[in-house]
Amino acid sequence: GQNIDQPTEMTATEGAIVQINCTYQTSGFNGLFWYQQHAGEAPTFLSYNVLDGLEEKGRFSSFLSRSKGYSYLLLKELQMKDSASYLCAVDYNYGQNFVFGPGTRLSVLP
Amino acid sequence: SAVISQKPSRDICQRGTSLTIQCQVDSQVTMMFWYRQQPGQSLTLIATANQGSEATYESGFVIDKFPISRPNLTFSTLTVSNMSPEDSSIYLCSAWSAGANVLTFGAGSRLTVL
Repeated sequence: GQNIDQPTEMTATEGAIVQINCTYQTSGFNGLFWYQQHAGEAPTFLSYNVLDGLEEKGRFSSFLSRSKGYSYLLLKELQMKDSASYLCAVDYNYGQNFVFGPGTRLSVLP
Repeated sequence: SAVISQKPSRDICQRGTSLTIQCQVDSQVTMMFWYRQQPGQSLTLIATANQGSEATYESGFVIDKFPISRPNLTFSTLTVSNMSPEDSSIYLCSAWSAGANVLTFGAGSRLTVL
């Protein structure tokens, strides 16, 4: 199979930094996505990594290591509105087979 | 990236009935998919909607229960047939634009089956 693993839940404090990890099976890998999903809403696109390294976009950054089958999403200067589920998804066939991880539910506390 | 309009946004249905969900994309996209998301869970792919031909279903999903149409590159429908309470879920349409490398989602359709 194409198992994708993420921690189920994480808690952090407002203003802090949190790193959400994602591991995946490397065979057939064509790209990795991070999505944010607030309760009752559709997932919204955060980032896309296809090459090794760090992609920075404002308070959010995403890292990829293709050889290790590993990615992380880094959220800085946490705000209460960042409380949401964060989904890691892998493209295994050039846009024809996306597999989603179980999602990490992040709670930001005051 | 593409903008997706999905309707209905929510519905309450009676056991044994069928409901069709519509998905309209504002531009031609390479691939369209239908996902199911049960409460507190991640997304599960139901099928890939193929333009002009039968959809490709994932293990555990069959055409008789979830018939799908995709008559052109911007529109697709998913029907949930002969519904039971176990079909209560959020159904999400998504579209892949190869040029943009983005998988975009509709707002979802929350179905409750009584």
